[in-house]
This record gives sequence, C-alpha cells and structure tokens, in this order.
Amino acid sequence: EAGVAQSPRYKIIEKRQSVAFWCNPISGHATLYWYQQILGQGPKLLIQFQNNGVVDDSQLPKDRFSAERLKGVDSTLKIQPAKLEDSAVYLCASSLAREQETQYFGPGTRLLVL
Amino acid sequence: AQKITQTQPGMFVQEKEAVTLDCTYDTSDQSYGLFWYKQPSSGEMIFLIYQGSYDEQNATEGRYSLNFQKARKSANLVISASQLGDSAMYFCAMREGRTGTASKLTFGTGTRLQVTL
Repeated sequence: EAGVAQSPRYKIIEKRQSVAFWCNPISGHATLYWYQQILGQGPKLLIQFQNNGVVDDSQLPKDRFSAERLKGVDSTLKIQPAKLEDSAVYLCASSLAREQETQYFGPGTRLLVL
Repeated sequence: AQKITQTQPGMFVQEKEAVTLDCTYDTSDQSYGLFWYKQPSSGEMIFLIYQGSYDEQNATEGRYSLNFQKARKSANLVISASQLGDSAMYFCAMREGRTGTASKLTFGTGTRLQVTL
C-alpha cells in the first residue's frame, strides 16, 4: 500500500513570495491533516479535512494560509505572502475515521523563507 | 497546562540495552488515545505504537512497548534491545475524544535518542 505522498520535498523562497504544497493521502483515507513543525518543536495542526469539508482550521493563519481538498482526495496548502517565521516542515497526514485512527504521515516539505 | 509533556530533551543508550522515554499527559476526557511516533533525521513521522484509554493491557509492537499508567497519566515508551537505527526524535501524542471522531493529535516536544556502540 502506497503511503502519503508530498511534494516538493524542499523549497526555498524569499519573504513575501507565495508557495504551495501538495499532498496525496493513502487511498481510502477520508481524513487529511496538515501540520506545521517548527524546528525543535512537535507538529502543530493547521487544518483537518473530512472528505471535502474542513473539520478544524482554528490554528490556520487565515490571512496568509489557505488549503483545499479537491474531490476528497488530494490537498494543497498555500502560503501567500510568506513570512520568515513560516520556515518549518509542513507535514501531511491521513487516517481512517475509525478504529484507533492512526495518522500516517508523509515525508514532509521543508520550507525555508529568506 | 501542557497536554503532553516529554521531560527528556535527549537520551543516550548503548546498543542492545533497553531505554524508557517518558511521556505524561493531561486530559479531562474519559476516552482518548496515546501514540508514539519516531522521526529520523530525514523528517518523516513513523507510527510506532498506540494505546487506547480503555485498553487494559499495555500495548506492544515488536521491540516497542508502552508502559501505560492511567492513574499517573503517563504513557512511557520502552524500546528493548536498542539498535543504531533507533537513533531519532521520538514524539508522544494524544488524541482526545472517542474513537471515530477523527480528532487531531497534540504532540509533545520530543526526546532525541542517541544509540551508541
């Protein structure tokens, strides 16, 4: 079974530029999560989708971050305009909304904002 | 208050020895789940083990076991027979609410484990 796919793996941009990340979850996983992991910290949830709908986006800085999940499968996370403090690893995870609900993570995208 | 506390920023263990990574949690929910993930330097988060709040037995997965003490609100990870490949960051995480509600995970700050020869 293929895991969670993310691209790109690395991205370097200048502040005020825009950037987009892509995630393809494990087939059949209805729930998709985007986490931000700043160096030295644990991941923090940005947004959670259940199929097409947003379940939780309370921690998403909506003035600059946006996310969508098309047709309940792939998802994109966008930052516009980027700030220096957005430098982090962006992790995508997916899960089945039943049983122990283990979240399986992708390899992450390392973003550096200069 | 921190929901997940990992008090050991770094740990060293010799190859083939056992090591315990500490995790305490804080929740008022009766139903919750506790997870441990491993994060190598490459960055991906690898699921290791899960313990549900109603599980009476401590979870085990190969060389990993979870020492679950509900009254103390602790969920320590025990790695037996450490290997060099176990060197990584280890994160404890909690899902609050009942299974099936697709709740977010709250993570601790992690423990960096270094396995030495």
